[in-house]
Amino acid sequence: GQNIDQPTEMTATEGAIVQINCTYQTSGFNGLFWYQQHAGEAPTFLSYNVLDGLEEKGRFSSFLSRSKGYSYLLLKELQMKDSASYLCAVDPNNAGNMLTFGGGTRLMVKP
Amino acid sequence: EPEVTQTPSHQVTQMGQEVILRCVPISNHLYFYWYRQILGQKVEFLVSFYNNEISEKSEIFDDQFSVERPDGSNFTLKIRSTKLEDSAMYFCASSEGNNEQFFGPGTRLTVL
Repeated sequence: GQNIDQPTEMTATEGAIVQINCTYQTSGFNGLFWYQQHAGEAPTFLSYNVLDGLEEKGRFSSFLSRSKGYSYLLLKELQMKDSASYLCAVDPNNAGNMLTFGGGTRLMVKP
Repeated sequence: EPEVTQTPSHQVTQMGQEVILRCVPISNHLYFYWYRQILGQKVEFLVSFYNNEISEKSEIFDDQFSVERPDGSNFTLKIRSTKLEDSAMYFCASSEGNNEQFFGPGTRLTVL
């Protein structure tokens, strides 16, 4: 089976940095994705890692270690609008691009 | 910016009825997907579709579900005989290839 774990909730302060961790155990690995989902809305793509290391995109960075089955999403200079759920998803095979999602981490940014 | 669209935004149906959820993927994308999200739970993969056939499906996608690309733009999900537990948000997504999937706004299905 596929297993993706991430914390349920986190709280951080506006302007700060927050790191959201994700660990995975899947039958295969073809890439790890981070999505942002505001309440009642669709997931929107943030980042994609398929090789080990850090991918930086503006205020958001994502890190992957395939040997450890571990990723994190780093959000810098937090803004109130960053309050949302952050979903870690793994593509476990190369055939059908099926994303397996974790339960999501609900981030609350406080002033 | 091109986007995935879905209709209707909200569908209410009686248990046992058939529903068809419609999606228009981004025009140059080749891979299409359906996911569902029961309220308060995680997003779950249902099915992926490429080159006019199903490429992967999950255990959720049983004989009550089917997908179709009836023309060059639409991609549909049909649930033959809805059950109460089918109530969820259904997201369509599309991608160019083995990369980021773009999600539509979703159809909220309520089965009474």
